[in-house]
Amino acid sequence: GAVVSQHPSRVICKSGTSVKIECRSLDFQATTMFWYRQFPKQSLMLMATSNEGSKATYEQGVEKDKFLINHASLTLSTLTVTSAHPEDSSFYICSAPVSGTEFYEQYFGPGTRLTVT
Amino acid sequence: GENVGLHLPTLSVQEGDNSIINCAYSNSASDYFIWYKQESGKGPQFIIDIRSNMDKRQGQRVTVLLNKTVKHLSLQIAATQPGDSAVYFCAENQPGANNLFFGTGTRLTVIP
Repeated sequence: GAVVSQHPSRVICKSGTSVKIECRSLDFQATTMFWYRQFPKQSLMLMATSNEGSKATYEQGVEKDKFLINHASLTLSTLTVTSAHPEDSSFYICSAPVSGTEFYEQYFGPGTRLTVT
Repeated sequence: GENVGLHLPTLSVQEGDNSIINCAYSNSASDYFIWYKQESGKGPQFIIDIRSNMDKRQGQRVTVLLNKTVKHLSLQIAATQPGDSAVYFCAENQPGANNLFFGTGTRLTVIP
């Protein structure tokens, strides 16, 4: 099956700094990627939809200036958490459908655990 | 819809028993549903899916049942094994939306 990777798997940063998380589709092209956030013992909450060649679409309540998304190529999307605060500590997960398939046939990355101190 | 600040329901079963995990979905017009398994510290893994024109679908050791009348989805795992211990989420595709909506999730613990 299709594989999605994320880097880093874990990151600890100081409050006020920025952190970049990468999401890659390893063996397929993805014109769309999804970014989710998951707090402990909670479900996945969609943050934004990353679109190759155009601006990301953010869900209501998600600050686009704080969570910068860049879909640089057909296999890479990055999420940058700017001026991170402890409340941004969470598990960030990306997913991607294979281009040309239904969007809901998503392959998920392993997640990135962000801890802001 | 979104899950807001709820603790995960839990289910504990004895190894070898059957497990039934339930999910109430939000939109009666949703036409496609997926069950995911998420192990600690990992991303969700696809288990099984079902379209709204079906009421039952079987996979290897898993069965999904869909009751559209009451907007209810269930996942049955036969002969539950310790490796089945994880959090299970249902997700629905709502018409007009281009993303999936995840349910609350249930933590399954298998007792050896």
